[in-house]
Formats: sequence, C-alpha cells, structure tokens
Amino acid sequence: DSGVTQTPKHLITATGQRVTLRCSPRSGDLSVYWYQQSLDQGLQFLIQYYNGEERAKGNILERFSAQQFPDLHSELNLSSLELGDSALYFCASSATGIETQYFGPGTRLLVL
Amino acid sequence: AQTVTQSQPEMSVQEAETVTLSCTYDTSESNYYLFWYKQPPSRQMILVIRQEAYKQQNATENRFSVNFQKAAKSFSLKISDSQLGDTAMYFCAFMKPLLNNDMRFGAGTRLTVKP
Repeated sequence: DSGVTQTPKHLITATGQRVTLRCSPRSGDLSVYWYQQSLDQGLQFLIQYYNGEERAKGNILERFSAQQFPDLHSELNLSSLELGDSALYFCASSATGIETQYFGPGTRLLVL
Repeated sequence: AQTVTQSQPEMSVQEAETVTLSCTYDTSESNYYLFWYKQPPSRQMILVIRQEAYKQQNATENRFSVNFQKAAKSFSLKISDSQLGDTAMYFCAFMKPLLNNDMRFGAGTRLTVKP
C-alpha cells in the first residue's frame, strides 16, 4: 500500500458525460501528479500540482481539468467524454515535487 | 525532450533464475533520476528501485539491482532468484529533479516467471 488513495476504483459512463476522479496523496506529500494509461499509448503524464498550484502540464486535453485543494487532495475532471478516454487513470504523489513518486491504485474508466 | 526506450516487449525466465531487463534513455541533462516500476496484474504501480544520476554506485534493493551506465545512457534491471510474484509489466522511467517535472516512461517489458 503506497498511502495514495484514489476513488472510485471503477467508473462506467457514456459518451458526452462528465466525471470526477479523486486522489488523496500520502500524508505529508505536497505534490500530486495525474497519469493516463491506455492500451495503445502507455503511461502519459497529464498534469502536476504542488501545494495547490499547477506546476507542470503534459498531454492533457482541453476537455480535462484538475485542481488541488487546500487539504492537498486533488480532483481530475473529465468532460465531454469520448470512447478513447477509456483508460486507467493514476494519481501519484511525492514529498517535495522532486522526489520519488508513489502511485495510487488507479481509477479504471470505461466510456461506452 | 527526454525519451525512454525499452526494447524487449516480452521476456520470460524460469523460477530461481536471473533475468535482465534493458532500458535506454535520451537526455542532455546531467542530473536526473531513473526508476523501475513494476505493474502486476492488479495494475498497481509499485516502485522497484531508484537511481540518482550523480551516484556512481549502482542501486540495489534485495533481489533487484541495476546496471547504470551514464555515458551509454543505459539503465538495466537485474532480478536475481526470480519468483512467481515477479511476473508483471516493468516500466523504466526518467525524471528531472525539478519542481515542475514529469516522469517519462518506457513502453514496458512484460516479464513472465515460469515455475
């Protein structure tokens, strides 16, 4: 158990819908990262937050947004969902943002 | 941009034997971190080992060790005394130690340990 929690574990929804994925980092970690793992594209970095501020952005679609709250938990919002958004979404956290990232169990999203 | 290449999509090894997974990377940075993560069938991403580029000594964690060749930009993972529980996807990853960073992953190597 890495100490990073993610909810829900599984999510099934329809095209065009909006979902919110939630992540709680390890106790004391200030930095949160979001990754997408799809079958054909491997693990892709989406976005990083550090102590509430956005720090780095990867290949995140405009339909996707994220935020980190004062209690340091983070949410990833996915809207206007498409079939291709079906993937495993991981959250990871690290202490300072330059240290080892520890991953949560992931949220498996299926868009039908 | 940093790229990470794992040239072995699949490998297999007999239980109790040793196997080496390959990873190469491309960067112009001198200071960085390299990682191996394991992803078993549960899909959880588990840190196996970490290497800081400024350290000449190869990292070791129990049965797992790395061969870090900085000049050759090579970072292989050796698993000794392979166990059935080592069956998993193994991802090599690169990260710059910056406050705004992201981790770049290789495509992964699927390792099967056979009884």
